[in-house]
This record gives sequence, structure tokens and C-alpha cells, in this order.
Amino acid sequence: ETGVTQSPTHLIKTRGQQVTLRCSSQSGHNTVSWYQQALGQGPQFIFQYYREEENGRGNFPPRFSGLQFPNYSSELNVNALELDDSALYLCASTSRDTYEQYFGPGTRLTVT
Amino acid sequence: KQEVTQIPAALSVPEGENLVLNCSFTDSAIYNLQWFRQDPGKGLTSLLLIQSSQREQTSGRLNASLDKSSGRSTLYIAASQPGDSATYLCAVKVIFGNEKLTFGTGTRLTIIP
Repeated sequence: ETGVTQSPTHLIKTRGQQVTLRCSSQSGHNTVSWYQQALGQGPQFIFQYYREEENGRGNFPPRFSGLQFPNYSSELNVNALELDDSALYLCASTSRDTYEQYFGPGTRLTVT
Repeated sequence: KQEVTQIPAALSVPEGENLVLNCSFTDSAIYNLQWFRQDPGKGLTSLLLIQSSQREQTSGRLNASLDKSSGRSTLYIAASQPGDSATYLCAVKVIFGNEKLTFGTGTRLTIIP
């Protein structure tokens, strides 16, 4: 199996701007989840996509949105960036056999 | 609301010692529990997954146990090595079909050579 990959590795944006983060899931994993991890904290669930539709969401405002594509890649979009959006953003895909989640290396977003 | 707690927040032990990391959760109705390792600034590496019907899982020097009734899990690391230094996170999945994991804040482990 290929691993979960994310791009870019690091990103610096200004407050009020919009950002798109990308994730490529492991082959055959049709569920992708996104998490936000602030410094010193555990990851917080943003939402998940299954078969290109959002089917679960955490306590995040609508300016956090996503897309999943037929090839299992996905995007996380954040509009109207705020300083508190600075964090490590992680995506994870779920094995259909074991339900184990596999995480990518993350994208470090800094909002100034 | 499911809450996950990991104690201690940080732990330092000499190389070669065996050690135990603790994880507790408030709602025992979980689907599975997963232990992860995270190196500074990096993503999460899955270590062990325990299904709700299982009591323990082993991989190499690692052994994870699960006691659903008491809301506890432990990660046992045998013969610790400096390369084991990292933050260890536990996470529970509550609902089948919803992949949301609820994480603890982690235990930062330092192995002293």
C-alpha cells in the first residue's frame, strides 16, 4: 500500500485570506478525515468524506469546507483565515479491512 | 461527550527500562482504540489498534491493553530505546461508520541514553 501524502508541507498566509490543503489517500481507502492540531494539543476532528460526500463534522464553522475526488484525493479549504487557524492540519484515510486510520505527515499552516 | 485523558503529560526514563503509558476515556461505548506515535512537527504513526471486543494487541516491544468497563487503556513499552522518544497519543472511535477519533493530549516520552 502507498502512504498518505499531503501538500504543501508548510504554508504562510495572512489573516482574511483563503487556503487550500491537499491530501492523497492510501489506495483503496474510500474514507478521508481531516484534523486540526494546535501546538501541544491532540488533533481535533474537522470532518470526514465518504464517496465524495461529507458525512460527519466536528465543531468547526462553515468556513472550513472540503472536497473528495473519485481518485480518493481530497482538499481542505479554509476561508477568511484567522490567527487561531494556525496549526498542523492532518488528513487520515481509513482501511476498509481493519478500520485502522493512517495519517499523512501534515501541513503546517501559519496565519499572520 | 467523550473525553480522553492521558497521564502523565511527560515522562523521562533511562534507556532499557520498561514503561507504561496510560489513557482513560469517559464513555465506555467505544468501537475501537488506537495508539499513535508523533515525532516533533510530524504526522501520526499508527502503533496499535484494539477493537472493542479485544483485550490486548502486541507488536514487537509494544503491548496495548483495553479495559472498556473501566474506561482505560495502557501502552507497555519493553526495553526502551532512545529512538522511542516521541509523543504518544491514544484515540477512541465511538461510532461505526463515522471515522471521528477523539484524542487525548498525549504523553511526551524521553528516553535518556
